[in-house]
Amino acid sequence: QVQLVQSGAEVKKPGASVKVSCKVSGYTLTELSMHWVRQAPGKGLEWMGSFDPEDGETIYAQKFQGRVTMTEDTSTHTAYMELSSLRSEDTAVYYCAYGLDVWGQGTTVTVSS
Amino acid sequence: DIQMTQSPSSLSASVGDRVTITCRASQSISTYLNWYQQKPGKAPKLLIFAASSLQSGVPSRFSGSGSGTDFTLTISSLQPEDFATYYCQQSYITWTFGQGTKVEI
Repeated sequence: QVQLVQSGAEVKKPGASVKVSCKVSGYTLTELSMHWVRQAPGKGLEWMGSFDPEDGETIYAQKFQGRVTMTEDTSTHTAYMELSSLRSEDTAVYYCAYGLDVWGQGTTVTVSS
Repeated sequence: DIQMTQSPSSLSASVGDRVTITCRASQSISTYLNWYQQKPGKAPKLLIFAASSLQSGVPSRFSGSGSGTDFTLTISSLQPEDFATYYCQQSYITWTFGQGTKVEI
């Protein structure tokens, strides 16, 4: 059974960076695309980007271009999403999703001075 | 970018009601359309993939239809555990979600 376990909640100051991890168990990280989705409080789901293992390409939503970096460590079966230059509007729950149907539990990132 | 428009944004219904949610894509996405259910504090749960295929373990009261730009999620007989927010998602080119439909009593 595939499971994704994400790192714990983070509190950051404006301008800082945050790196969220997502560990895959029960499957091989390179089989499917890993996506990152966020959800601001009381708002809908927003796709941030994904890594496609077939071609090794990472695609970022235009909104996050230049601020987000998605990486994977296949040796530890862990994916990472780093978001820089944080602002209050980045306060959200961040999810990793492996394929369509396997999601992590979410990581709350709070940006506050 | 492909835009997804869901309607309604919220609806009130009763147990046993038939509920229909619609989703429209800004361009044709064939059947690359998926539906998720999300409850407060939880990750989204996949209900329907490829427009009309029921995800394993999802009750058969959920069904999906459509192709091209227009899609529908139907709950044939609403159950207490179905009160939640539903999102459509296109996976034709990257991902885009609809704005969500909150189903409440």
